[in-house]
Parts: sequence; C-alpha cells; structure tokens
Amino acid sequence: EDQVTQSPEALRLQEGESSSLNCSYTVSGLRGLFWYRQDPGKGPEFLFTLYSAGEEKEKERLKATLTKKESFLHITAPKPEDSATYLCAPQRGANNLFFGTGTRLTVIP
Amino acid sequence: DTEVTQTPKHLVMGMTNKKSLKCEQHMGHRAMYWYKQKAKKPPELMFVYSYEKLSINESVPSRFSPECPNSSLLNLHLHALQPEDSALYLCASSQDDPGNTIYFGEGSWLTVV
Repeated sequence: EDQVTQSPEALRLQEGESSSLNCSYTVSGLRGLFWYRQDPGKGPEFLFTLYSAGEEKEKERLKATLTKKESFLHITAPKPEDSATYLCAPQRGANNLFFGTGTRLTVIP
Repeated sequence: DTEVTQTPKHLVMGMTNKKSLKCEQHMGHRAMYWYKQKAKKPPELMFVYSYEKLSINESVPSRFSPECPNSSLLNLHLHALQPEDSALYLCASSQDDPGNTIYFGEGSWLTVV
C-alpha cells in the first residue's frame, strides 16, 4: 500500500535558524516527488520536482533532496515569510499526486 | 503564465441546490484535475481529465459530477450535497506526461448548509 509520511507535523523556528523537513514514502511506480508550499486559504504553490535518487534542487533559501525512500526540504536562514505548510507529494502512475499531511512551519522574527 | 483560475472563490449552497464550480487555464495543458481539501488535511484527488476524457475517478459520490467542455475548461457540478462536503475545492492542470509540474488554482471555498 502506498504511504507518505511527513515530519515533524509542526515546526517553529527563530528567524535565521536553519532546519530540515522530512518526507518518507513508499510508492509503487514513482514518477516524481513534488514539493509544494501552501499558505492558509490558498492553493498549493509549486516548489520542486525530483525524479531520481541523489537529485538536488535549490530555490532561494530552500533545497530539496531525494533518496530512494525519503526526501528532505532544507531551509537555510528562514525568514518570517517562509511560514507556510510544506507538502510533499509523490506521483504514482500518470497524473496522480498523493499528498502527505504536511509540515506547518512558523518562523518567528 | 502559470495561472489556473477558479470561480467562484466562495460558495454557500443548501443541500437541495444545484451549483457549479468552474476552472480555466490557458497554458495549453491537456490534463486537468479536481482535488478536495478539508481543514488541516492534505488535498485529496477526486477526478482527472486527460485530453478532455475522464481518466481517473477516485470513487467520488455521484452528487459530484465533473465536466470538461474543452481543453481549457473544467467544471464540477454539485447537487444534493451534504454538510460534510464543505471544503476547499482545488482545480489543477498540467501537461499530460508523468512527472510534469501540476499547477493549482487558488480554490473555491464551498459551504453546504
């Protein structure tokens, strides 16, 4: 059975305090691993897609990495505007994203 | 331009009403999606259209009826809903190849009274 688990559920960081979010997955026929950011009351905003183990992608203060069973979203020197829920979503089969429950990040000034 | 537009942003309907949610994209995408998201939960896939044909229906009750009139438009027709159907309904689109980025709209907030 396909599973995706994100940890921690919630994370509070001081501004500038770096940390990592974890996404553990068991998905058959993985086509890609997506990361999204979602602000309250808004639709998910695309961040990254990772396709193969060892791949890394960066965008501003965010870096995503992928292994065969996990993906990490590293946040370096976060700012209050990075506060959001971060969603991991493995893609199984064609056109089928399977979302984790997310990590709710709060960055305190 | 990576915009998926959803209307209305907010909808309140009674359990006997018939209403529709609308979604539009002009990115030339050939796959379009409906997701449902309850408070503090992740989005859950409801339907996928590929080249205007329904390709995935995740066992959604028949009171939700999707329609894809053309490659740019996606509708979700609502009839005889229950209060537990109240949620954020998200439309998304992508190219129809595995691994392609799926772009989401801002969602339509539905309240069933």
